[in-house]
Amino acid sequence: QAVLTQPPSVSGASGQSVTISCIGNSSTIGARYEVHWYQHVPGTAPRLLIYGNIYRPSGVPDRFSGSKSGASASLAITGLQTDDEADFYCQSYDSSLRTWVFGGGTKLTVL
Amino acid sequence: EVVLVESGGGLVQPGGSLRLSCAASGFMFENYEMNWVRQAPAKGLQWVSYISPSGDTMHHTDPVKGRFTVSRDNAKKSLFLQMDSLRVEDTAVYYCARISRIADDALDIWGQGTVVIVSS
Repeated sequence: QAVLTQPPSVSGASGQSVTISCIGNSSTIGARYEVHWYQHVPGTAPRLLIYGNIYRPSGVPDRFSGSKSGASASLAITGLQTDDEADFYCQSYDSSLRTWVFGGGTKLTVL
Repeated sequence: EVVLVESGGGLVQPGGSLRLSCAASGFMFENYEMNWVRQAPAKGLQWVSYISPSGDTMHHTDPVKGRFTVSRDNAKKSLFLQMDSLRVEDTAVYYCARISRIADDALDIWGQGTVVIVSS
């Protein structure tokens, strides 16, 4: 079971918006460790989407945004496009396990 | 272009060994911390190993401690993962990934992965 909890799946119509949550605890996100988000299309290299809770790497559209509050974080995607379909993962650090940890992943379906 | 290319995966019997390689290009490999991350079938991502830029600091996740060893050759711009005493549960796609220099612990460049199957 992943240390960071994500919903297994989300879906939205083309053009609409979705939010993916990432729930941690006092040893992870709540301990003020930063959260990063990745987009992964199976069979390809994962792509860094958001780093440092809220920042977008060069080339990532502003339709993607990150936020953090307390022991949880969220990824919001607006203006859904069919090629947004992928698995999305959050990542942080766990001070009790002393290891980097990922969420279980959320599969996005664009209807 | 910044690229990471993994190789060395394959089918191996339980108890066997494999050595994965990751060839880096397009950036100053010797200045970057590197990780191995894996994804088992129908599972999420799991951090496996970390190595510092000089190679003098290494960390491994508990399930692989004592069996896997990460190393690097900066002159050859290559990262390695020596996997011994392989178990069925080590079956996964293995990715090498670069740690960003502007965001603590963020993995900003990933390879396409190499498949490891441990089965009798």
